[in-house]
Amino acid sequence: DAGITQSPRHKVTETGTPVTLRCHQTENHRYMYWYRQDPGHGLRLIHYSYGVKDTDKGEVSDGYSVSRSKTEDFLLTLESATSSQTSVYFCAISVSGTDYEQYFGPGTRLTVT
Amino acid sequence: KNEVEQSPQNLTAQEGEFITINCSYSVGISALHWLQQHPGGGIVSLFMLSSGKKKHGRLIATINIQEKHSSLHITASHPRDSAVYICAVGAPSGSRLTFGEGTQLTVNP
Repeated sequence: DAGITQSPRHKVTETGTPVTLRCHQTENHRYMYWYRQDPGHGLRLIHYSYGVKDTDKGEVSDGYSVSRSKTEDFLLTLESATSSQTSVYFCAISVSGTDYEQYFGPGTRLTVT
Repeated sequence: KNEVEQSPQNLTAQEGEFITINCSYSVGISALHWLQQHPGGGIVSLFMLSSGKKKHGRLIATINIQEKHSSLHITASHPRDSAVYICAVGAPSGSRLTFGEGTQLTVNP
């Protein structure tokens, strides 16, 4: 399972509150990703990282920020949660040198009321 | 139009049937990935291929680069194969993937 954990696994929060989701990996992979999964859409990339302090935006980055101060942790922050950010969030890592095969964390179900 | 299109969106089969899920893409790729999402939500990588065919147990994945098309076949389907199957393509440069919407497969006993 590539040693990927996500926390929390479930969260309910109110509109306007800040929320931080954590992705942790144990194998020092360089590339890490945050996706959201919604009915009617495939997995969509929010942000990704290609190293410590190196991050870039994905296709649905508005309203989200990320940080990566250590190789093993990639944090996703919703500065002021909105109901449209209710979703299931997946973290993933990819292994360079393997055409970037990706391994996924277990997901976090976030509900914004 | 999505860059990655899967068909069908939903598929119901009887145990033992041969199943085919299709994926078409419209961009240049480095590799094509097939993923499986279990009913509990976990996502696992099944195959990654850039040419030809790969086989793992009862699962076979093929790709035709010229036609920008891939198929995932399941032989002798079983209820435990019930899951969402997701096709994704890797960008020619870099590590980003673009995903199809998935195919919900239900295999009835």
